[in-house]
Amino acid sequence: SQKIEQNSEALNIQEGKTATLTCNYTNYSPAYLQWYRQDPGRGPVFLLLIRENEKEKRKERLKVTFDTTLKQSLFHITASQPADSATYLCALGLYGSNYQLIWGAGTKLIIKP
Amino acid sequence: SAVISQKPSRDICQRGTSLTIQCQVDSQVTMMFWYRQQPGQSLTLIATANQGSEATYESGFVIDKFPISRPNLTFSTLTVSNMSPEDSSIYLCSVSTSNYGYTFGSGTRLTVV
Repeated sequence: SQKIEQNSEALNIQEGKTATLTCNYTNYSPAYLQWYRQDPGRGPVFLLLIRENEKEKRKERLKVTFDTTLKQSLFHITASQPADSATYLCALGLYGSNYQLIWGAGTKLIIKP
Repeated sequence: SAVISQKPSRDICQRGTSLTIQCQVDSQVTMMFWYRQQPGQSLTLIATANQGSEATYESGFVIDKFPISRPNLTFSTLTVSNMSPEDSSIYLCSVSTSNYGYTFGSGTRLTVV
């Protein structure tokens, strides 16, 4: 069966450390993968997109890796801050689908001061 | 990127009634997307709304239950009809942006009693 998985348990990280979130998928051939941030009571906010032929993408303190062999993406936040606390969602964009994304359920990240 | 105004932000409705959710975008967009997000679960695409044509519904969603209007390139509505407690969820509208990410409205938290 096809599925996309993110750790359902909250991730607790000490401020200043690197937070690493995981997105695993099975039986998909994605064209790209996206990461979003969602705060309580708000819609998701787009952070980064990485294509299937890219290994790594960076934006400020954020880094995303994409391993199509392992069928996994890692999302890193370096020098984490309490303001980074939120739920982070990954979403796959598939070949042949111009717009439809396959969403993970998200991982809640808590950065402790 | 586009800015979306979505309303209402929340509502509590009686079963058997209908609620119309509105999304206004500050720029013209070809496609608008309507999602449902249940607590702790991934986003599920309900339908895609194109201006000047009928919306395209995903498997499990039908027009009679979720009628959509798209009168122009900046506005869309989603109606949740004949509501039951199972319709309690967060409803989100979304548009694609030039960098392939998606911009979301702030969501409508619907509770059916």
